[in-house]
Amino acid sequence: NAGVTQTPKFRVLKTGQSMTLLCAQDMNHEYMYWYRQDPGMGLRLIHYSVGEGTTAKGEVPDGYNVSRLKKQNFLLGLESAAPSQTSVYFCASSMRRYGYTFGSGTRLTVV
Amino acid sequence: AQKVTQAQTEISVVEKEDVTLDCVYETRDTTYYLFWYKQPPSGELVFLIRRNSFDEQNEISGRYSWNFQKSTSSFNFTITASQVVDSAVYFCALSEGGSQGNLIFGKGTKLSVKP
Repeated sequence: NAGVTQTPKFRVLKTGQSMTLLCAQDMNHEYMYWYRQDPGMGLRLIHYSVGEGTTAKGEVPDGYNVSRLKKQNFLLGLESAAPSQTSVYFCASSMRRYGYTFGSGTRLTVV
Repeated sequence: AQKVTQAQTEISVVEKEDVTLDCVYETRDTTYYLFWYKQPPSGELVFLIRRNSFDEQNEISGRYSWNFQKSTSSFNFTITASQVVDSAVYFCALSEGGSQGNLIFGKGTKLSVKP
């Protein structure tokens, strides 16, 4: 089993460009999450989804949009990238609180 | 609101020393889960332990042990006889029973083990 797969692993964007990060899980998990990790800040929740077709805001949602059209996929979009969005992005999935599986992360640099 | 505090930003020890990483949490729920994750220099998040709020038994796994005390809202992590491979950032996290399952992380403690 692949678990949680994040695409791409690395990306450099110019300010104002847009992009979509893809998270795919093959464990039939209901819950999916997007976090960002910045130095000294731990992981902060951007958006999450409790099921196909549902999304909700987390702690730091501004500047991001998400979609969960299929149960196995959770997309994170940046419509107009800003240098403040330079970060490492982690996707995770879970069956409620019982077990969280994280992807390997996407390192995004906005110049 | 829920919160996880890891007061130690960085710790440096010499190999074979014991080291304890502190974690203090805040929650209004009576049902919750606590986690520890390890993030080595390679960047991935490695799950170490999950403990629910009804189980206050201490846990030992090899050189790792965890002390859960509800009275002080703490879930501390001890590495015995540390090794260079233990060098990593360690995160404590909380998931509340009534929430949508969101995992709330502390800011992490960077452990450096020197030979």
